[in-house]
Amino acid sequence: NAGVTQTPKFRILKIGQSMTLQCTQDMNHNYMYWYRQDPGMGLKLIYYSVGAGITDKGEVPNGYNVSRSTTEDFPLRLELAAPSQTSVYFCASSSPQNEKLFFGSGTQLSVL
Amino acid sequence: AQSVTQLDSQVPVFEEAPVELRCNYSSSVSVYLFWYVQYPNQGLQLLLKYLSGSTLVESINGFEAEFNKSQTSFHLRKPSVHISDTAEYFCASMNTGFQKLVFGTGTRLLVSP
Repeated sequence: NAGVTQTPKFRILKIGQSMTLQCTQDMNHNYMYWYRQDPGMGLKLIYYSVGAGITDKGEVPNGYNVSRSTTEDFPLRLELAAPSQTSVYFCASSSPQNEKLFFGSGTQLSVL
Repeated sequence: AQSVTQLDSQVPVFEEAPVELRCNYSSSVSVYLFWYVQYPNQGLQLLLKYLSGSTLVESINGFEAEFNKSQTSFHLRKPSVHISDTAEYFCASMNTGFQKLVFGTGTRLLVSP
């Protein structure tokens, strides 16, 4: 069972570059989330989606964009990378029938 | 607004000693409460959850947490820890009306021999 798959696992960007973090799940979950994890700060919600075509901002959305064209995929876009976006990014999914979130293994991003 | 507070950023203990990781939540509405565990270089995994019913919930690996509404707490305990319990533990809350999970800042449990 693949679960939630994130790519890439590691990436280094230069300031001002753009990139897309990919996330896909094979559990037919309606809900999907993007979190960032910084030392001593826990996980902060960036964006979330309750279904295909529906997205909404979380706690720290500035500098990011998302789309949800299919149930399976929920990519996170960084348009102009900044050092403040250096973090570990986690994608997660869940279903309305179960409060448990399933997490991907994370993407470690450094912006230099 | 919903928030979760974990006052201890790091808890060092010796193997076979008891441990308590503290968690307090704040919400104007009813919430579900969770503990997630993150082992080194991995994503988060659900350890246990409180939705309703018995205020004491247990995990399969010996952890337990008790929901205390009057103290707005959901502390995690284990009577005897193992080296393999070394990990970061996150308390989280979810509004019962919508599935948006809010995390605390985490507590790193360091178990030494």
